[in-house]
Amino acid sequence: DQQVKQNSPSLSVQEGRISILNCDYTNSMFDYFLWYKKYPAEGPTFLISISSIKDKNEDGRFTVFLNKSAKHLSLHIVPSQPGDSAVYFCAAISYTSGTYKYIFGTGTRLKVLA
Amino acid sequence: EPEVTQTPSHQVTQMGQEVILRCVPISNHLYFYWYRQILGQKVEFLVSFYNNEISEKSEIFDDQFSVERPDGSNFTLKIRSTKLEDSAMYFCASKEGVTNEKLFFGSGTQLSVL
Repeated sequence: DQQVKQNSPSLSVQEGRISILNCDYTNSMFDYFLWYKKYPAEGPTFLISISSIKDKNEDGRFTVFLNKSAKHLSLHIVPSQPGDSAVYFCAAISYTSGTYKYIFGTGTRLKVLA
Repeated sequence: EPEVTQTPSHQVTQMGQEVILRCVPISNHLYFYWYRQILGQKVEFLVSFYNNEISEKSEIFDDQFSVERPDGSNFTLKIRSTKLEDSAMYFCASKEGVTNEKLFFGSGTQLSVL
């Protein structure tokens, strides 16, 4: 039961170009989404989030777009830098029985080529 | 910036042995989580903890698992009798309050069961 899906396990992009990471979800009750970045041997670190009442949130080089009708969100990184090379996880928050649960996708490994 | 700390960073154990994974959440945080990631797979929810009790647990979190907050600062995950399939990276996470969505992760404990 994979409620949050990241169908691209890996992505390579040239430095300076745009990186687009995609995420699909199945539960229309999800109302908050987050992106995390993970370097090897480290825990995931929060990158950017978006509430379902918005369709876009921007923070510097990072922009997250949400298309609720398609149950799809994407993370854009412009311009991409070699330091952005990491695994990116999409997560959705589910609220059930008084508890917030974070459901993660399988991750996309981004490699930014210098 | 305050951070979630986990010890040890690596733990090797024999099948059937008990292990305790330790976490110190951020000091003013009230909600605590354990997640795990088996190599190459998604980050999976194990358990959430609030107000000194489990608020939700996944199917993975069976009777072999337990959590404790013994002294108001540490948050531990115990696996009573480890199995080979328990080998994974275990992440502790915490967040400040119920309406604060940003989840902070520790750097993880790599558990290897031989």
